[in-house]
Amino acid sequence: KQEVTQIPAALSVPEGENLVLNCSFTDSAIYNLQWFRQDPGKGLTSLLLIQSSQREQTSGRLNASLDKSSGRSTLYIAASQPGDSATYLCAVRRFGDYKLSFGAGTTVTVRA
Amino acid sequence: NAGVTQTPKFQVLKTGQSMTLQCAQDMNHEYMSWYRQDPGMGLRLIHYSVGAGITDQGEVPNGYNVSRSTTEDFPLRLLSAAPSQTSVYFCASSYQTGSSSYNEQFFGPGTRLTVL
Repeated sequence: KQEVTQIPAALSVPEGENLVLNCSFTDSAIYNLQWFRQDPGKGLTSLLLIQSSQREQTSGRLNASLDKSSGRSTLYIAASQPGDSATYLCAVRRFGDYKLSFGAGTTVTVRA
Repeated sequence: NAGVTQTPKFQVLKTGQSMTLQCAQDMNHEYMSWYRQDPGMGLRLIHYSVGAGITDQGEVPNGYNVSRSTTEDFPLRLLSAAPSQTSVYFCASSYQTGSSSYNEQFFGPGTRLTVL
């Protein structure tokens, strides 16, 4: 069974600092990994999707890396802003499987 | 494009009542699924569908039924609500490219269900 872990569970940083969010998974036979953002009481917004053949994906201030062999992905958010405050979830999909296995998330607070 | 829509946004039920959570997508996605989100447990898959007329169970299917009569709609039915089904329910959809490629999943805004 795929286990996905996100550490830390919560993070508080001052505005302008770079954010580093970690995701680890136990089964390296993944098809892709997806990072989501969830605001309180809201749904999930897809941020980045990394295919298993890729090492990283970038979108604006966001950069996600993937090291499949070690079972790790890292989401970097440059120059954090108060609007980045949210819960960030990672989810992995195995080859031949439709199901996403989710981590419990990292709740980020960016202080103005 | 409305994306993935869910109704209702909020619902309160009494134990033993039944209801249907609605989910629709207008992106012509083959794949649709239902997750529930509980504090400290992350999101767990309830049921999913790989196309009209085809459904299958996820991790936590007990107490729920689904059907997929059209590509657009994937309703989730609670047969006899229990307090353990108090949760936030999310519907998601995804398209397929190539022979075995399951790509980015898009989520609806969620239905917050309380069973008393």
